[in-house]
Amino acid sequence: SQQGEEDPQALSIQEGENATMNCSYKTSINNLQWYRQNSGRGLVHLILIRSNEREKHSGRLRVTLDTSKKSSSLLITASRAADTASYFCATDDYSGNTPLVFGKGTRLSVIA
Amino acid sequence: DAGVTQSPTHLIKTRGQQVTLRCSPKSGHDTVSWYQQALGQGPQFIFQYYEEEERQRGNFPDRFSGHQFPNYSSELNVNALLLGDSALYLCASSRRGSNQPQHFGDGTRLSIL
Repeated sequence: SQQGEEDPQALSIQEGENATMNCSYKTSINNLQWYRQNSGRGLVHLILIRSNEREKHSGRLRVTLDTSKKSSSLLITASRAADTASYFCATDDYSGNTPLVFGKGTRLSVIA
Repeated sequence: DAGVTQSPTHLIKTRGQQVTLRCSPKSGHDTVSWYQQALGQGPQFIFQYYEEEERQRGNFPDRFSGHQFPNYSSELNVNALLLGDSALYLCASSRRGSNQPQHFGDGTRLSIL
């Protein structure tokens, strides 16, 4: 079964706009990570946020984590056509053990 | 520095056959995990290998088995293939205890006819 649930399932925006994706999970976590997947290829790691962190930035990416609500958000600013991909959140459990538990992903389309 | 490599990239099999997929982890990584990703879904954990032993297993039948070699590379074997085994199979590597992200390969696309 999948723990994370991304919202929305699909998102279409114009180039230059910001894209926000949300993720909810069910159990206590150690880390929450966001991955990108282009067209059925492998997953590319974007950012990891630990359970004791609330916000993290990496370039045009901003991730927030609210452990009280068991939710996270990924913001991509000034989107580009190359950002078109599926985005997944993944959690690992409180003991720090892998495996990662993924949601179904958000399909982002950035229109030039 | 080579990342995670998987072979083959694509494979077509028929029902009842068996298949072996291969994975070489990123340099410096000693743990390999396998995931199955059906079309339109997120990856599902199959199992994880460390020190040549299966350490954790997801909800997959015994038809799915694996192996890890002394050089940390790994194989995923699937017997008695079913149509439902058609999926992208992803390998991920990590360094045990590092609490760092897993790195994924590009996957093997398995199609069952």
